[in-house]
Amino acid sequence: EDQVTQSPEALRLQEGESSSLNCSYTVSGLRGLFWYRQDPGKGPEFLFTLYSAGEEKEKERLKATLTKKESFLHITAPKPEDSATYLCAVEASNTGKLIFGQGTTLQVKP
Amino acid sequence: NAGVTQTPKFRVLKTGQSMTLLCAQDMNHEYMYWYRQDPGMGLRLIHYSVGEGTTAKGEVPDGYNVSRLKKQNFLLGLESAAPSQTSVYFCASRWTGTDTQYFGPGTRLTVL
Repeated sequence: EDQVTQSPEALRLQEGESSSLNCSYTVSGLRGLFWYRQDPGKGPEFLFTLYSAGEEKEKERLKATLTKKESFLHITAPKPEDSATYLCAVEASNTGKLIFGQGTTLQVKP
Repeated sequence: NAGVTQTPKFRVLKTGQSMTLLCAQDMNHEYMYWYRQDPGMGLRLIHYSVGEGTTAKGEVPDGYNVSRLKKQNFLLGLESAAPSQTSVYFCASRWTGTDTQYFGPGTRLTVL
């Protein structure tokens, strides 16, 4: 069964304190792994898609990496505006459907 | 370009009442999806559509029906609402040539 698990569930950081969020997955043939950001009361906002092990993508203070079993979202020197819930999802080959993890809620304090 | 819009934003129903949630997109996307989001459960796929006139079941389809009569609209119906359907509902769409789904702002539904 295709499954996505994110850890930790919640993370509190001080401004400038770098850390990583984990997304572990089991899927029958990975077509893509997706990271989304979700602010309270809003819909998920697309961040990255990763397709193969070893791939990395960056956007401002965020960097996503992918291995055959997990993905990491590295946050370097976070700011309070990075506070949000980060969602990970996978798409199995040829399904066109995403399977989401439960999310990691990040709070960055000034 | 409004992207993906959802109507209404909030709704309170009594058990047994019916309602329809509307999702509209102006990006000419072929694929459209309905998800529900519950605390600790993540987003779960209810129904989806790969094109006008087509629909298919997702992970949690029971108690819901959908229709895609026009390419830009995807309707989610609850025929007889139950308290277990209290949730936040999100619509998403994507173009055939990409993998990225774009989400609407959500509808918060409470069933009493």
